[in-house]
Amino acid sequence: EPEVTQTPSHQVTQMGQEVILRCVPISNHLYFYWYRQILGQKVEFLVSFYNNEISEKSEIFDDQFSVERPDGSNFTLKIRSTKLEDSAMYFCASRATSGSASDTQYFGPGTRLTVL
Amino acid sequence: GDSVTQMEGPVTLSEEAFLTINCTYTATGYPSLFWYVQYPGEGLQLLLKATKADDKGSNKGFEATYRKETTSFHLEKGSVQVSDSAVYFCAPGGNEKLTFGTGTRLTIIP
Repeated sequence: EPEVTQTPSHQVTQMGQEVILRCVPISNHLYFYWYRQILGQKVEFLVSFYNNEISEKSEIFDDQFSVERPDGSNFTLKIRSTKLEDSAMYFCASRATSGSASDTQYFGPGTRLTVL
Repeated sequence: GDSVTQMEGPVTLSEEAFLTINCTYTATGYPSLFWYVQYPGEGLQLLLKATKADDKGSNKGFEATYRKETTSFHLEKGSVQVSDSAVYFCAPGGNEKLTFGTGTRLTIIP
């Protein structure tokens, strides 16, 4: 069964450093998302992406964050200058454009980001 | 924007007990409704969904019915197992962002 994959599974970085989190969505999906979950808290929406542009973003997704689809298979989230409060689990999700499951987002296993 | 009120946890039950996790939501229009499950150390997995009023989603013995009149989507299972221990998230949405509840941690005791 196709699945969303994410790398790395765990990233440790120093405050102020740039990080790039990588996701490979399901191959025929064209809608992509990033969410995050701070430890012990609920999952929060960050950004949605379609047709090479951001569809919607939350207040969390400020100018320190950016997303990119650098090629036909990867979808990345970049944090330019990490802060302690960016420590969280980051989930990528993707969604199909047609079919009975076109309203369903499928999630990757997550990348745990630890900012020291 | 959309919001979700989910039953506070943690919930601890004995094996074979009946489970209900309450979820109510506010949303613009009539979104699809989802339950996702997060097993220890893992990501979010879709458990079940319902796309319109009175639809019942079901999977692995879990069920939830889309109640438009009460804006609810309560999760039920008749006989829980130890392997059902996880965190359960209710979420309206689908085509755009999902709005997650706080999650309900369920622990099943043998």
